[in-house]
Amino acid sequence: TQLLEQSPQFLSIQEGENLTVYCNSSSVFSSLQWYRQEPGEGPVLLVTVVTGGEVKKLKRLTFQFGDARKDSSLHITAAQTGDTGLYLCAGAFRAGNMLTFGGGTRLMVKP
Amino acid sequence: GAVVSQHPSWVICKSGTSVKIECRSLDFQATTMFWYRQFPKQSLMLMATSNEGSKATYEQGVEKDKFLINHASLTLSTLTVTSAHPEDSSFYICSASLPSTDTQYFGPGTRLTVL
Repeated sequence: TQLLEQSPQFLSIQEGENLTVYCNSSSVFSSLQWYRQEPGEGPVLLVTVVTGGEVKKLKRLTFQFGDARKDSSLHITAAQTGDTGLYLCAGAFRAGNMLTFGGGTRLMVKP
Repeated sequence: GAVVSQHPSWVICKSGTSVKIECRSLDFQATTMFWYRQFPKQSLMLMATSNEGSKATYEQGVEKDKFLINHASLTLSTLTVTSAHPEDSSFYICSASLPSTDTQYFGPGTRLTVL
């Protein structure tokens, strides 16, 4: 079974704080995606990482793909209340294959 | 680009009836679409992979006769929940991927409530 472990499951922080979400597997990913989902809506794609060691930035969000392509992290700098939501990592273990989702990280940013 | 729509957004039905959910890729052709189910405060669970012009591939534990999937064109896949029961109440989400890529674009989801 190809598992994707995401941590932490829950995170409650104050506005302005930094945070990091981790996604780990024992298997190598062909690619990995990060999504953000709000209640009652579908997940929205934030980023896709493909190359080992790759770093992508999206405003205050920094995504990193491990050198061995087995893990990834999402770092949010100076969190805002609008960052509240469910963050999901999803990996493809073979190109063009289905995605395996992590368990999700529920983030709450308090004013 | 890469917009996926779902219809209806929500549906309430009586136990025993069948419900059809549509998933459309609006600005691209999707040879593969995926159907997920999501319970409250949980991650997405893949139900089946739908390929245009062929039979869907169901995940273990998903009843193919209960969750009928049809992918008749490159822009439309449908999921029919047959003889729905209260335990089928859930948030159903579809996604579509661009050809030869892993990235999936998700629809807005359909909230199904079976009374």
